[in-house]
Amino acid sequence: QVQLVQSGAEVKKPGASVKLSCKTSGYNLTNYYMHWVRQAPGQGLEWMGIINPSGGRTAYAQKIQGRVTMTTDTSTGTIYMELSSLTSEDTAMYYCLRDRGGGGYSGIPDYWGQGTLVTVSS
Amino acid sequence: DAQMTQSPSSLSASVGDRVTITCRASQDISNHLAWYQQKPGKVPKLLIYAASNLQSGVPSRFSGSGFGTDFTLTISSLQPEDVATYYCQKYNNAPLTFGGGTKVEMK
Repeated sequence: QVQLVQSGAEVKKPGASVKLSCKTSGYNLTNYYMHWVRQAPGQGLEWMGIINPSGGRTAYAQKIQGRVTMTTDTSTGTIYMELSSLTSEDTAMYYCLRDRGGGGYSGIPDYWGQGTLVTVSS
Repeated sequence: DAQMTQSPSSLSASVGDRVTITCRASQDISNHLAWYQQKPGKVPKLLIYAASNLQSGVPSRFSGSGFGTDFTLTISSLQPEDVATYYCQKYNNAPLTFGGGTKVEMK
């Protein structure tokens, strides 16, 4: 069965970087686009970006452009999201999502990771 | 980029009430609109895609309508388990913008 298992919680200081992982299983990673979405405590959902694991093409939200990098390791079925120059506004739960397009983009996720809490605090 | 505006931001209704949530896009997004339900501490759950298509396993009391810029999520008869926050999301192209959310509470 399809599973997305994310790395554990992180606590970072302002200005630092964080790199989160999302280990996929139960399907071929290269056949499905992947998204990252975050949710600050008590706030709404914010789309961060998308990666095509087949080739590594990405598109990022303008708000975090320049601070975010999404990558893929197809040998382990894992995707990564690195966010730099962290501030308290980056404190949030971060989710990886599988796009259900299956070979193409749909924009609709069918599986979510369990989330990784990132806390940015001095 | 299209912005998504949901209203109301919160509502309180009784069991059995008909509940309507609206979502407005700042640009035409055709029918590329999804609705999600999120309960506290849980991952969002897809309810509706392509504006009006019910996701498999979602109760039939949920329905969606709309096209272009104006969309609606309707719960025909509110149940206690429907207490949650609901989000719309446009997905015609990147960025996949979410609405601000509507918190549904029981009166």
